[in-house]
Amino acid sequence: DAKTTQPTSMDCAEGRAANLPCNHSTISGNEYVYWYRQIHSQGPQYIIHGLKNNETNEMASLIITEDRKSSTLILPHATLRDTAVYYCIVRVAFSSGSARQLTFGSGTQLTVLP
Amino acid sequence: DAGVIQSPRHEVTEMGQEVTLRCKPISGHNSLFWYRQTMMRGLELLIYFNNNVPIDDSGMPEDRFSAKMPNASFSTLKIQPSEPRDSAVYFCASSSGVGTSGKGPYNEQFFGPGTRLTVL
Repeated sequence: DAKTTQPTSMDCAEGRAANLPCNHSTISGNEYVYWYRQIHSQGPQYIIHGLKNNETNEMASLIITEDRKSSTLILPHATLRDTAVYYCIVRVAFSSGSARQLTFGSGTQLTVLP
Repeated sequence: DAGVIQSPRHEVTEMGQEVTLRCKPISGHNSLFWYRQTMMRGLELLIYFNNNVPIDDSGMPEDRFSAKMPNASFSTLKIQPSEPRDSAVYFCASSSGVGTSGKGPYNEQFFGPGTRLTVL
């Protein structure tokens, strides 16, 4: 699985958009970009994933560059409850019915300030 | 749905004692994962099961660690004998291998609340 690089920490004002970058310059054509987050003292939580198209769900948007070497997770209106460590993970897809492990890096500590 | 259930939530034991952590995955999920998280090493995968069969245990630190999944609704992680360096938060996660977005198979793992283990 491709290696990812994320900033160690970021701050964001409450109500503003939080943009979390991730570099994955060695990504392969069949590898997806996943984002998870971990709120203090809780287990990680899936946010969103994508292959090459931009994706949006009720939690966030994922912008993947055309060359797929980097991506940005966007929380459109950050709240205090979004303070967490955000993990960007790149890994291959898998066959239906079988799962593969996720490799978590250090992630980005996002602090939403009041 | 109750989500992934782990017990106990906290465990304090003395060095040399046996420790058993328990996990109940989400009903219908066919993959189960055990992770360990420490400040020094972050979140590490220990072992995972597909359809109750261990697939990759390369993350298990040593023979003192063992994991079983006797059926689709229960798994245990055992440490015998425990050592202070085993102190960590242990997470269990499960996955259906299908995903919930309607976009085909992908790896959305659902994590339990974790067990905080302290070995004195």
